[in-house]
Amino acid sequence: DVKVTQSSRYLVKRTGEKVFLECVQDMDHENMFWYRQDPGLGLRLIYFSYDVKMKEKGDIPEGYSVSREKKERFSLILESASTNQTSMYLCASSLRPASSYNEQFFGPGTRLTVL
Amino acid sequence: GNSVTQMEGPVTLSEEAFLTINCTYTATGYPSLFWYVQYPGEGLQLLLKATKADDKGSNKGFEATYRKETTSFHLEKGSVQVSDSAVYFCALTISGGSYIPTFGRGTSLIVHP
Repeated sequence: DVKVTQSSRYLVKRTGEKVFLECVQDMDHENMFWYRQDPGLGLRLIYFSYDVKMKEKGDIPEGYSVSREKKERFSLILESASTNQTSMYLCASSLRPASSYNEQFFGPGTRLTVL
Repeated sequence: GNSVTQMEGPVTLSEEAFLTINCTYTATGYPSLFWYVQYPGEGLQLLLKATKADDKGSNKGFEATYRKETTSFHLEKGSVQVSDSAVYFCALTISGGSYIPTFGRGTSLIVHP
């Protein structure tokens, strides 16, 4: 069974802390994504990566950075956590498409609370 | 640009009722269309998809038909169950374009016994 796993389901951190969210996929997918999900706002893309060591900004990259040292792993880093980063964070992966048919596969999400 | 518009929720139904969740889109190219479902406490998972006009995607009793003339991809189910309670997202990707999907804001469905 194909899988995207995220390191934590729930996380509580303090303002100013450096926070690491880890995502691992076992499908040999080229593309990986980080989203945040907030009520009424749907999914918003933070960063994505289409290859090892490659990254591109999404719609809301401010306050975040990412790392992709291995194909299967994509990390989201909050350099100095703030209360407005309290949210659900979703990781996803997909094949590099020859067409647009390929769907995304999502992890279970990490609910981060910043106090 | 590309956009997806879904009806606002929550949609509240009794068990065995008929479900429709509306989805319309605008696209700069030729889109593939998707419905994802998010059950409570979980990530999104693909429910169904359609890749060309007049295609019908179906899964778990849900159906959606790609209507190019009305730029729509409405989700339907003839008889909902309590276990269908979830958030449903409509999405599109563009053939030959970016591999990044455009998502709607999601529609919450609550089914009562």
